[in-house]
Amino acid sequence: SQQGEEDPQALSIQEGENATMNCSYKTSINNLQWYRQNSGRGLVHLILIRSNEREKHSGRLRVTLDTSKKSSSLLITASRAADTASYFCATKTGANNLFFGTGTRLTVIP
Amino acid sequence: DTEVTQTPKHLVMGMTNKKSLKCEQHMGHRAMYWYKQKAKKPPELMFVYSYEKLSINESVPSRFSPECPNSSLLNLHLHALQPEDSALYLCASGDYTVNEQYFGPGTRLTVT
Repeated sequence: SQQGEEDPQALSIQEGENATMNCSYKTSINNLQWYRQNSGRGLVHLILIRSNEREKHSGRLRVTLDTSKKSSSLLITASRAADTASYFCATKTGANNLFFGTGTRLTVIP
Repeated sequence: DTEVTQTPKHLVMGMTNKKSLKCEQHMGHRAMYWYKQKAKKPPELMFVYSYEKLSINESVPSRFSPECPNSSLLNLHLHALQPEDSALYLCASGDYTVNEQYFGPGTRLTVT
């Protein structure tokens, strides 16, 4: 399976703290993307990092990519209760489809 | 318009029923996808349509039959489903040059 692994599976933090989640994958990639899913809803694209990039920022999000270790991390700074959701990494190879990681369930306590 | 719409939101069907899920996008995307998602699991790819032609079928049972009538519409026809097919069915669209996928809100399917 090309599916990635994410850790932790679940994360609970206080509002205002930072949240870090990690993703490992198995094959060479074109890019790696992070998505958010609120309970029982569709996924929302957050950020994309290409295989030749090492770090990318978007608002309170910071993504890193280490292709030598086949791993990525997503940092959410100054978390809010509204950030409570499941977060999935997804890798894109040459084909036009994505392989999703196992996901991290983030709970931000007000 | 950056929205992908899906109907119905919820569907309950018996194992002998025939039903269809519908998906629509008006972003001009030429790739459309069906995913199946079980509780607390990641989405699993079922089908990919590229330029209105089926390009990927991830060994999905024939009781699921996809259809792409035009570049904006994607259907998933359901027949003789099993209770284990109960799941959230997600539709997505994407543009080859943009890479990210846009997801609809999903159809929550329950097979009784």
